[in-house]
Amino acid sequence: AQSVSQHNHHVILSEAASLELGCNYSYGGTVNLFWYVQYPGQHLQLLLKYFSGDPLVKGIKGFEAEFIKSKFSFNLRKPSVQWSDTAEYFCAVNAYGNTPLVFGKGTRLSVIA
Amino acid sequence: NAGVTQTPKFQVLKTGQSMTLQCAQDMNHNSMYWYRQDPGMGLRLIYYSASEGTTDKGEVPNGYNVSRLNKREFSLRLESAAPSQTSVYFCASSEDSRGSGETQYFGPGTRLLVL
Repeated sequence: AQSVSQHNHHVILSEAASLELGCNYSYGGTVNLFWYVQYPGQHLQLLLKYFSGDPLVKGIKGFEAEFIKSKFSFNLRKPSVQWSDTAEYFCAVNAYGNTPLVFGKGTRLSVIA
Repeated sequence: NAGVTQTPKFQVLKTGQSMTLQCAQDMNHNSMYWYRQDPGMGLRLIYYSASEGTTDKGEVPNGYNVSRLNKREFSLRLESAAPSQTSVYFCASSEDSRGSGETQYFGPGTRLLVL
């Protein structure tokens, strides 16, 4: 069975700091990888996804993620966070040709001024 | 284009009561999903429907039933609510379920409190 691990439960950063949120998955085959964001009081929205091609994926709002197959990782990065990035971030994976998505437990990001 | 809609937004039940959560999507998607979100647990799949007329259990199906009424609608029923079912419930849909990188689109959620 697939599983997803997000290493940080809660991250607190100052504005303009750089962000990296870890995500590792367990599955040996071809996978699709996703990062979703949930702003306070809102539903989940897609930040970015990887399913083939360039392992460095760029998403909305300046976020990017790098798929490193050898490390089973898909870490999310942003060079300079803003207060408006305060949210919960979820990594998710599904195996190609199979459904459904398996989500990590989420990382809560708090950005302080 | 409303996307994925859910009703009700908030519900309080007493233990043992039943209720149905409604979900509809207007994107002509084939696949629909029900998740529950609990603090520190992320999202866990309850049931999903890969296509109209089919449903499958997810990770946490006990205590729930689903109906894929038509292509647009996918309802979740709690026959006898328990306090452990206090959660936020999200419905989602995707164009296809064959794992080719399809994005899931989420509804606004239903907050359920079981006393």
